[in-house]
Amino acid sequence: KQEVTQIPAALSVPEGENLVLNCSFTDSAIYNLQWFRQDPGKGLTSLLLIQSSQREQTSGRLNASLDKSSGRSTLYIAASQPGDSATYLCAVLSGGSYIPTFGRGTSLIVHP
Amino acid sequence: DAGVIQSPRHEVTEMGQEVTLRCKPISGHNSLFWYRQTMMRGLELLIYFNNNVPIDDSGMPEDRFSAKMPNASFSTLKIQPSEPRDSAVYFCASSITVYSGRLKSNYGYTFGSGTRLTVV
Repeated sequence: KQEVTQIPAALSVPEGENLVLNCSFTDSAIYNLQWFRQDPGKGLTSLLLIQSSQREQTSGRLNASLDKSSGRSTLYIAASQPGDSATYLCAVLSGGSYIPTFGRGTSLIVHP
Repeated sequence: DAGVIQSPRHEVTEMGQEVTLRCKPISGHNSLFWYRQTMMRGLELLIYFNNNVPIDDSGMPEDRFSAKMPNASFSTLKIQPSEPRDSAVYFCASSITVYSGRLKSNYGYTFGSGTRLTVV
């Protein structure tokens, strides 16, 4: 059974810092991995989707990498801004499954 | 595309009443998920439909919960009778997922804005 862990659970940083959010998974036979952002009281917004054959995806200040052999994905946020404050979740779709497994998320606060 | 559309956005009801949540997936998506999110338990999968057929309902808490997908563009989640412990945010998500004996393709998941349910 796939297990997904996101550490740390919470993170507070000053504006302008480059930061890395981590997502670890136990079964490396994944199909894809998706990063989401959730603002308080809102739904999940997709940020990046990495297929198993890819090593990374980029969108603006966001870069997500995937290392299946080590069971890890990282979400890199460059030059963080207060507007980046949200909870970030990763979802892993295993090759033998049809239901993604979600981590509990990392709650990020970027203070001015 | 308008994305995944859920209604209502907020629902406040009294214990014992029937509650119906609605979801319209993205046109062309063939998979639909209902999730429940609480602070204590995080995001929990309730039920998964593929091509309008329920594939996995092991997350449905009990017989008070039921879900239907009468066609590719509409799904409902019904709670009858509702209880205070059902208070949560309920999300619907859709995707394109293709199987042929095994998973063939998936292009990620799109979530609706959710329905915040409060049972008093």
